[in-house]
Amino acid sequence: DAGVTQSPTHLIKTRGQHVTLRCSPISGHKSVSWYQQVLGQGPQFIFQYYEKEERGRGNFPDRFSARQFPNYSSELNVNALLLGDSALYLCASSLFQYQETQYFGPGTRLLVL
Amino acid sequence: DAKTTQPNSMESNEEEPVHLPCNHSTISGTDYIHWYRQLPSQGPEYVIHGLTSNVNNRMASLAIAEDRKSSTLILHRATLRDAAVYYCILRASGAGSYQLTFGKGTKLSVIP
Repeated sequence: DAGVTQSPTHLIKTRGQHVTLRCSPISGHKSVSWYQQVLGQGPQFIFQYYEKEERGRGNFPDRFSARQFPNYSSELNVNALLLGDSALYLCASSLFQYQETQYFGPGTRLLVL
Repeated sequence: DAKTTQPNSMESNEEEPVHLPCNHSTISGTDYIHWYRQLPSQGPEYVIHGLTSNVNNRMASLAIAEDRKSSTLILHRATLRDAAVYYCILRASGAGSYQLTFGKGTKLSVIP
């Protein structure tokens, strides 16, 4: 079975631009979470979506938004990019909202110039 | 989620056991202890979790102190593929436990 997939794998943007990152969860998984990992740090929680509704949000500005589609795939949007948004963006899926184990994708590496 | 403390880095020789420590002195009674690892250029992957009793799976063993204020992840025979950053995470059960709160983890180097 395919694991969590993310696209694109790498992305270069300039300050002020907008970016959309995509995630497809493991088949049958209904929950998708997004994390940001800055170089040298552990991943930081951004959002969780379950059954197409936002169920949790981390300490990130309103420039970050996300949505989940009927097929449970998800998009993370970041507006007005800053240099500090350069990071690895990870998507994780789980079967249910409170399942013990989260399965991570390989991430999208975003560089903001 | 409660905070954990791990050494920044550790080294191990290939094919020898590795004991990765984690302190979590403020753990509550309903917190599960989770371990994830992140191989270079990959997303984190689940390793093991437990509540009170020691746990074993095909990847590793988790030894939990009797007072639950510390735990140790045990890799029985380190291979080069085990070189990764290992994260010890406390996760409350039930509502509100949807997120994983990662620290900086322990970077494990395996020497051939």
